[in-house]
Amino acid sequence: GAGVSQSPSNKVTEKGKDVELRCDPISGHTALYWYRQSLGQGLEFLIYFQGNSAPDKSGLPSDRFSAERTGGSVSTLTIQRTQQEDSAVYLCASSNGFSYEQYFGPGTRLTVT
Amino acid sequence: KQEVTQIPAALSVPEGENLVLNCSFTDSAIYNLQWFRQDPGKGLTSLLLIQSSQREQTSGRLNASLDKSSGRSTLYIAASQPGDSATYLCAGASGGGADGLTFGKGTHLIIQP
Repeated sequence: GAGVSQSPSNKVTEKGKDVELRCDPISGHTALYWYRQSLGQGLEFLIYFQGNSAPDKSGLPSDRFSAERTGGSVSTLTIQRTQQEDSAVYLCASSNGFSYEQYFGPGTRLTVT
Repeated sequence: KQEVTQIPAALSVPEGENLVLNCSFTDSAIYNLQWFRQDPGKGLTSLLLIQSSQREQTSGRLNASLDKSSGRSTLYIAASQPGDSATYLCAGASGGGADGLTFGKGTHLIIQP
């Protein structure tokens, strides 16, 4: 079956603009995760959803970041008023409610100019 | 808070050799541990998942072990091939299975033909 998909694959935006990143998990996976991978920081966990709810939002880097998930499926990560330090690859993963093995999408490379 | 360390940071070996990649973690209450490979410019591919109740998992030429008491995991690659060249990442989940993964910084592996 289809794996985790993310769109867009690349996004270049000007500083101060808002961006939306989309993640489509593997069908039937109840848990969905967002991570950020940047050169200096490695892979950093941002937020996870169990169904449509996110129990803990403390991993989001600032209040400019928000995420939602609707219908237990697609999720969007929104970054408002982007800054240059937001430039990174944003990765999404999903897992079932049994093994919790996480499967990753190809990522969205965000460049803020 | 879980911390994950991977040694070595980089490794270059001739084709055909057996090799071991090391991962250590600080929280022995780890729920599961997952090994990934990442090819340049790509997302993460899950290689092996070890649940906290397991000691090892095998897939083809790969074998991963988990020792919770010492806070260590190893990934053994038998009969290495040039196609094994990639960055290998170790990641642990603490608390419940739906928590985000804490990643090490990876081992960059080069297999010389």
